[in-house]
Amino acid sequence: AAGVIQSPRHLIKEKRETATLKCYPIPRHDTVYWYQQGPGQDPQFLISFYEKMQSDKGSIPDRFSAQQFSDYHSELNMSSLELGDSALYFCASSLETDNTGELFFGEGSRLTVL
Amino acid sequence: AQKITQTQPGMFVQEKEAVTLDCTYDTSDPSYGLFWYKQPSSGEMIFLIYQGSYDQQNATEGRYSLNFQKARKSANLVISASQLGDSAMYFCAMREGVSNYKLTFGKGTLLTVNP
Repeated sequence: AAGVIQSPRHLIKEKRETATLKCYPIPRHDTVYWYQQGPGQDPQFLISFYEKMQSDKGSIPDRFSAQQFSDYHSELNMSSLELGDSALYFCASSLETDNTGELFFGEGSRLTVL
Repeated sequence: AQKITQTQPGMFVQEKEAVTLDCTYDTSDPSYGLFWYKQPSSGEMIFLIYQGSYDQQNATEGRYSLNFQKARKSANLVISASQLGDSAMYFCAMREGVSNYKLTFGKGTLLTVNP
């Protein structure tokens, strides 16, 4: 079965550079979530999209932006990167009509800022 | 206040024994869901088990069972017959309400299975 696809899996950037992470949800899933997991930390919710509209916002820095496109894939854009942005970034998708609300996670994109 | 509390930063268990990982939660929403995820050292988040707030019976999935005590607001994960491959970080998570299923995670418990 198709899973959530994230790219790139690994990314190394310098401070003040920009980075873009991509997420392809499971086919027919209408909701995408982005999470940030710092070293030794629990995942923190950043932002979510339902049917291409932002549905909720968490602790996402102003330097970050995200969107969901017409094909339901999503991109997380990060600018003016800081050392503290080094983390594992997860994308997850779900189906609004699924009563359990289970989130299906991608394998994550590991960003290292030097 | 913490919505999800996992009080055990680390746990050790002998292979083939059972282990319980604790999780308590805090919500005023009558509709919520509780999840357990496993995160091995490779980093991926693996869904283990789900319990809905209105479910009458405790959830079970193979060797995993969830001890759901609604009045105590606890949702402990029980792993039976531990295997070496169970060594990983385990996160308890909660979604609140009936729409927008974002999850709030606990701090996690690092489980080590000894041979």
